[in-house]
Amino acid sequence: GESVGLHLPTLSVQEGDNSIINCAYSNSASDYFIWYKQESGKGPQFIIDIRSNMDKRQGQRVTVLLNKTVKHLSLQIAATQPGDSAVYFCAEIGGSNDYKLSFGAGTTVTVRA
Amino acid sequence: NAGVMQNPRHLVRRRGQEARLRCSPMKGHSHVYWYRQLPEEGLKFMVYLQKENIIDESGMPKERFSAEFPKEGPSILRIQQVVRGDSAAYFCASSNNKNTEAFFGQGTRLTVV
Repeated sequence: GESVGLHLPTLSVQEGDNSIINCAYSNSASDYFIWYKQESGKGPQFIIDIRSNMDKRQGQRVTVLLNKTVKHLSLQIAATQPGDSAVYFCAEIGGSNDYKLSFGAGTTVTVRA
Repeated sequence: NAGVMQNPRHLVRRRGQEARLRCSPMKGHSHVYWYRQLPEEGLKFMVYLQKENIIDESGMPKERFSAEFPKEGPSILRIQQVVRGDSAAYFCASSNNKNTEAFFGQGTRLTVV
């Protein structure tokens, strides 16, 4: 399953499939990006980050891709599990002189059994 | 190593009362951020503090809201004379430096009746 940022705020994916969550950012000066996962009633949980001098970073079952040319960020989740159901936010920090994490609206991921 | 601790988890106040939200950052973290989240929305930056200093309060309403992070003790977000529109989840995050990963607490859900 794949979502496209603010235009498709929900993503339904079959258990075991790969998920792709997209995020478009607006500040070309942003140089640090984080993906957070937020489950219902809980605080955002850090998943993975990437700096602007990289275009790909891998974690456990997750991969973040950064395309600075088109200001696009994506999170790929391999073999999606029911526990992956949550709202996913991308966040950016606009340059080394900035420190405010700016959040997108979020994508709700629902995993079908 | 305890994470970011926020209390209370739930707070109910009548209109006109004061709300005090507390945040203890992760051990070793001296940077604290407060965010506000309305239902079905992303997180909006309110204020960034370091020990004893407010660095950026550009996201905080000019009236009724204040924040502090004293040398000893937790960071406090204070809302005076609460109104129904203040009802939201308030999240605190901490980091050990700017422009590094920030970890969130579980939030305080404020309900104004």
